[in-house]
Amino acid sequence: DGGITQSPKYLFRKEGQNVTLSCEQNLNHDAMYWYRQDPGQGLRLIYYSQIVNDFQKGDIAEGYSVSREKKESFPLTVTSAQKNPTAFYLCASSLRGSYNEQFFGPGTRLTVL
Amino acid sequence: AQRVTQPEKLLSVFKGAPVELKCNYSYSGSPELFWYVQYSRQRLQLLLRHISRESIKGFTADLNKGETSFHLKKPFAQEEDSAMYYCALRGSIQGAQKLVFGQGTRLTINP
Repeated sequence: DGGITQSPKYLFRKEGQNVTLSCEQNLNHDAMYWYRQDPGQGLRLIYYSQIVNDFQKGDIAEGYSVSREKKESFPLTVTSAQKNPTAFYLCASSLRGSYNEQFFGPGTRLTVL
Repeated sequence: AQRVTQPEKLLSVFKGAPVELKCNYSYSGSPELFWYVQYSRQRLQLLLRHISRESIKGFTADLNKGETSFHLKKPFAQEEDSAMYYCALRGSIQGAQKLVFGQGTRLTINP
């Protein structure tokens, strides 16, 4: 099953540690996105990238960083500066342009101990 | 500012009854609206988009610009409709397209 893959499925981190979440897609999509999903708050956009080597902050970028060195990969680093990192993280990708569907990965649940 | 509001966190109806999930939005331009669904242990996936004006799995949604709403409706609910539903708005920020999601409504269909 191709599409978008995220790894790991579950991740545990000690306070003060940085951790990187992987997102890979084989859909040849230019655009990729990272969302955070918390109960009762829906999905909130962390970062997005419209093209390789370019990315923009979303609504809740503080404490996170990303890179987009390859079209198929968009890793997210949760830094120690993120005050409440325990959450479910979703990666998505889409073709550029209006009305294009975003396809979502299975998600990574991060727990800070 | 772009905002999507789903006023009901939880909605429970009986099988065969009509169901309506509410979605209201605020956006100064011409909106693109979507409904996404997440079934248990499955990925979030697109259910329908307003531009298509289609019915998917018996669900329809009509964009009402006067009331700034995009409510999701189905005349006869089925047990397999139980899921988390998100309304989303796509707006353009500095030429980039991004989705703004509502808080989500968990729909439970009782047998």
